[in-house]
Amino acid sequence: DTEVTQTPKHLVMGMTNKKSLKCEQHMGHRAMYWYKQKAKKPPELMFVYSYEKLSINESVPSRFSPECPNSSLLNLHLHALQPEDSALYLCASSLILGAGYTFGSGTRLTVV
Amino acid sequence: DAKTTQPNSMESNEEEPVHLPCNHSTISGTDYIHWYRQLPSQGPEYVIHGLTSNVNNRMASLAIAEDRKSSTLILHRATLRDAAVYYCILRDKGSARQLTFGSGTQLTVLP
Repeated sequence: DTEVTQTPKHLVMGMTNKKSLKCEQHMGHRAMYWYKQKAKKPPELMFVYSYEKLSINESVPSRFSPECPNSSLLNLHLHALQPEDSALYLCASSLILGAGYTFGSGTRLTVV
Repeated sequence: DAKTTQPNSMESNEEEPVHLPCNHSTISGTDYIHWYRQLPSQGPEYVIHGLTSNVNNRMASLAIAEDRKSSTLILHRATLRDAAVYYCILRDKGSARQLTFGSGTQLTVLP
């Protein structure tokens, strides 16, 4: 298995909703990442996990809450989002920090 | 981090070679040059990387200038499926630093 799987592919949520994005890989990678990508812009790093521990938080608002319950799974919990949070959320993994990345296809999030 | 400069957009004809340039005049001796591409509605995917010597793989070739201040990604025969945003990224050899994307080059392939 050489893939990073993200679910759901599309999500529409209201500003008062709570939802979660899920990312899964079975390549034995020990580093996992969340990126946010607005239309026509490059991906921007949000969070980095290494060996299931949060390594980097790029000053992301607390309405985004990451979780890494095991080495194969990465979640992003969403609560009280704003319309400007609408974007493509990309998950990636690498064997270890500094190794090459494998990206998922992303979750396209719309906040209404 | 050393910065890269790429053209915003380029066009190519199908089945012709494409040369995508990247300038990185402040590159350090331990920076690897990485290329990723992002096809429409997909996440980025790794293309190729190199340090000093030219590199080839099944997807592309990477030509690195002797002074390492620039590099060129070469697609030998562009297909419509190669239409994507191509990102040139510098990563330090021994660093665990995360992948940081610049603005990239939007490649359009014309039939």
